Amino acid sequence: EIVMTQSPANLSVSPGERATLSCRASQSVSSNLAWYQQNPGQAPRLLIYGSSSRATGIPARFSGSGSGTEFTLTISSLQSEDFAVYYCQQYNNWPPYTFGQGTKLEIK
Amino acid sequence: EVQLVESGGGLVQPGRSLRLSCAASGFTFDDYAMHWVRQAPGKGLEWVSGISWNGGTIGYADSVKGRFTISRDNAKNSLYLQMNSLRPEDTALYFCAKAVGATTGYYFDYWGQGTLVTVSS
Repeated sequence: EIVMTQSPANLSVSPGERATLSCRASQSVSSNLAWYQQNPGQAPRLLIYGSSSRATGIPARFSGSGSGTEFTLTISSLQSEDFAVYYCQQYNNWPPYTFGQGTKLEIK
Repeated sequence: EVQLVESGGGLVQPGRSLRLSCAASGFTFDDYAMHWVRQAPGKGLEWVSGISWNGGTIGYADSVKGRFTISRDNAKNSLYLQMNSLRPEDTALYFCAKAVGATTGYYFDYWGQGTLVTVSS
């Protein structure tokens, strides 16, 4: 099983500033890495797939990078609606697909 | 508009069974693989099971293997999860998720709102 590890677990950033979230895989997942955003009481929403491709309707301030085992999600200028929990997921090997434990992005 | 609506959750005693359903609309259901993902209260996401477009490829998390069975009825645009021998640690919000491809190796582009399963005596 591929273990996905996200860091940090919690991140406090001021609105308008940049946030950088990390995700590490225990073995290579190539570029088969997705990022999801989840607000309280809501279903996850797809942000990024293929490590760096934005999903339909996702603002350009969200960007993803990386390949192999190291990945990054960057939010360039935080808006109020961006404060949420973010999960990475590998879909290179299954079963199982695996998610990171999440990064909670909080307002500073 | 893609819609995924889960149902069938509820309170059940340990060792009992429950069957979840997911009604899909707004896309050609039998063109895509489908999955179940769960989230225990206050915890992260855990993939549970997935099924290819025709049911020919199925996978399970080790935590549910041998107890849960995923299936689909393409004529009814529906996905199911039969959960047997339920344990307290199965307590979670269960999401139905649509993959972007027909088989394995794809991420999830649409999710339902979930159905809550509580396993307790």
